[in-house]
Amino acid sequence: DTGVSQNPRHKITKRGQNVTFRCDPISEHNRLYWYRQTLGQGPEFLTYFQNEAQLEKSRLLSDRFSAERPKGSFSTLEIQRTEQGDSAMYLCASSSSPGLINYGYTFGSGTRLTVV
Amino acid sequence: GESVGLHLPTLSVQEGDNSIINCAYSNSASDYFIWYKQESGKGPQFIIDIRSNMDKRQGQRVTVLLNKTVKHLSLQIAATQPGDSAVYFCAEKIQGAQKLVFGQGTRLTINP
Repeated sequence: DTGVSQNPRHKITKRGQNVTFRCDPISEHNRLYWYRQTLGQGPEFLTYFQNEAQLEKSRLLSDRFSAERPKGSFSTLEIQRTEQGDSAMYLCASSSSPGLINYGYTFGSGTRLTVV
Repeated sequence: GESVGLHLPTLSVQEGDNSIINCAYSNSASDYFIWYKQESGKGPQFIIDIRSNMDKRQGQRVTVLLNKTVKHLSLQIAATQPGDSAVYFCAEKIQGAQKLVFGQGTRLTINP
């Protein structure tokens, strides 16, 4: 296991189309996170899973966004009816449970979405 | 509200010099802090972390200092190398929460 893997790396879509991104976390990590990053800004939290349970969602996550982690391993993030404002880098991260010196909060390389 | 900010948006240093990147945070309930390095087109790369019950932690060529009195965090990079050129973010985690709150970032450039 070499880290958090995200696919695709890049996605260009037309406004109004649906897109889905995939994240494979570090295998021993039970926590998985989605963040969004726009140019020149730090990542912003979207949602968090512990195993298969989605425990927290940001107000940034509108009704057009849905995330799943059906078996507590990989996760998908779907955006329906994409808008130009959805253009950003979508980052996935995973971590281990608290109590360790290092949470190991590790990010993937992200999926860059461009809505045209 | 909660926020993590950086004093300088850009920092330019001579190769071989030490770099110090600063960060201010506002939430006294934050119990964990991380510094990340992000190169163009890549995700944030973990550099070093520190819990709120510590005031200093050292890694390879990097040191993080935490001053809870003034809510200040700094990253020191020794003998800066060209490969250290990147945007550096500090992030905080509030006690009991799982999400990280990031600042805007500082771009570090290395002069030969």
